[in-house]
Amino acid sequence: DTGVSQDPRHKITKRGQNVTFRCDPISEHNRLYWYRQTLGQGPEFLTYFQNEAQLEKSRLLSDRFSAERPKGSFSTLEIQRTEQGDSAMYLCASSLVSTGSNEQYFGPGTRLTVT
Amino acid sequence: GENVEQHPSTLSVQEGDSAVIKCTYSDSASNYFPWYKQELGKRPQLIIDIRSNVGEKKDQRIAVTLNKTAKHFSLHITETQPEDSAVYFCAALGDGGNNRLAFGKGNQVVVIP
Repeated sequence: DTGVSQDPRHKITKRGQNVTFRCDPISEHNRLYWYRQTLGQGPEFLTYFQNEAQLEKSRLLSDRFSAERPKGSFSTLEIQRTEQGDSAMYLCASSLVSTGSNEQYFGPGTRLTVT
Repeated sequence: GENVEQHPSTLSVQEGDSAVIKCTYSDSASNYFPWYKQELGKRPQLIIDIRSNVGEKKDQRIAVTLNKTAKHFSLHITETQPEDSAVYFCAALGDGGNNRLAFGKGNQVVVIP
């Protein structure tokens, strides 16, 4: 499968624990995005990278959230001291920045449940 | 920031009929408008998109129209089939060309066999 992949697909954790998710984008894509999706809502932008540089973060991304893309390939999203309100589907997407190209392709998501 | 709204929230159609979903956006500088289909438990899948320099784009049974003056765009599905049943999200590329997509809340489309 040459699409965007995410790991794990499901994560159940207790409140207060830290969790880390991984995203592997489509191999030639230089942009990588993180979104959060809750039930009955569309994806909400969290942050994005161009290569290894994190270019923008949403106000939704509190200081408990951190994302990295150290080598410009895969990315990790860490949530520290999880809260029940963090329960959601965390989606990763990637795109290739080129003239006239804006298409973003999504991974299957990591469903986080905080108990 | 960009604000995208979708109507109706739920749409039921008889198999073979057409379905139309309309979205409005707030930022007149937005220039890219994709539509995603999401089946239960699956990833959002890009099905069609349109840029602000065209008014209509068609791909087999799916078409998208854009009215920049009114700031709305619509998804048209003709000859609907049961496999078209899903949640459809519209999105708009926000300001600054930063590729931050703003999504609507989604439309549940149910095709009745």
